[in-house]
Amino acid sequence: GAVVSQHPSWVICKSGTSVKIECRSLDFQATTMFWYRQFPKQSLMLMATSNEGSKATYEQGVEKDKFLINHASLTLSTLTVTSAHPEDSSFYICSASDGQKLFFGEGSRLTVL
Amino acid sequence: ELKVEQNPLFLSMQEGKNYTIYCNYSTTSDRLYWYRQDPGKSLESLFVLLSNGAVKQEGRLMASLDTKARLSTLHITAAVHDLSATYFCAVNAGGTSYGKLTFGQGTILTVHP
Repeated sequence: GAVVSQHPSWVICKSGTSVKIECRSLDFQATTMFWYRQFPKQSLMLMATSNEGSKATYEQGVEKDKFLINHASLTLSTLTVTSAHPEDSSFYICSASDGQKLFFGEGSRLTVL
Repeated sequence: ELKVEQNPLFLSMQEGKNYTIYCNYSTTSDRLYWYRQDPGKSLESLFVLLSNGAVKQEGRLMASLDTKARLSTLHITAAVHDLSATYFCAVNAGGTSYGKLTFGQGTILTVHP
């Protein structure tokens, strides 16, 4: 069946550096992908909607200049956390729909030291 | 603003017992999802409920939807230890843009002997 894959699964970085997370739809095309963030012991919160070929739509309170989203192809969206700080440490999860079903990636755990 | 509320947030059950998790949402939506999350993992899809009165069952779990009351339930029958996990309900908030979900707070289920 259709699968959404994220890479990397986990990443540790130093404060002030940038980190890129990839979200791929493996056997379907997705004009829209979604990025969620989950802090420890909390629920998932939608960060932004990634739109192929156009700008992402960010939810209220999410800094678009800090969380850069690029959806350059129908199978790939990337989330770049710029100038990461410890408070950005979280579990980032993407999702995409093939028009019938909704699929979540495996998640990417970011730890900022 | 769409709000999704689950209760209880914590549920400790004995093996063999039955219990129900409730999910209330504040505005009309065309689909409701139930997910399971194990520690450190992403989401596992359990059910998608699309219409009023929908009922779906898989093993010891059964989900139902009452769109008039804006209420969904996840019923656990004869719980076993393997069901221990966090359960989320989520409501589609994006109209035809499937995948823009608002999640409940999650219910942490612990099943013990």
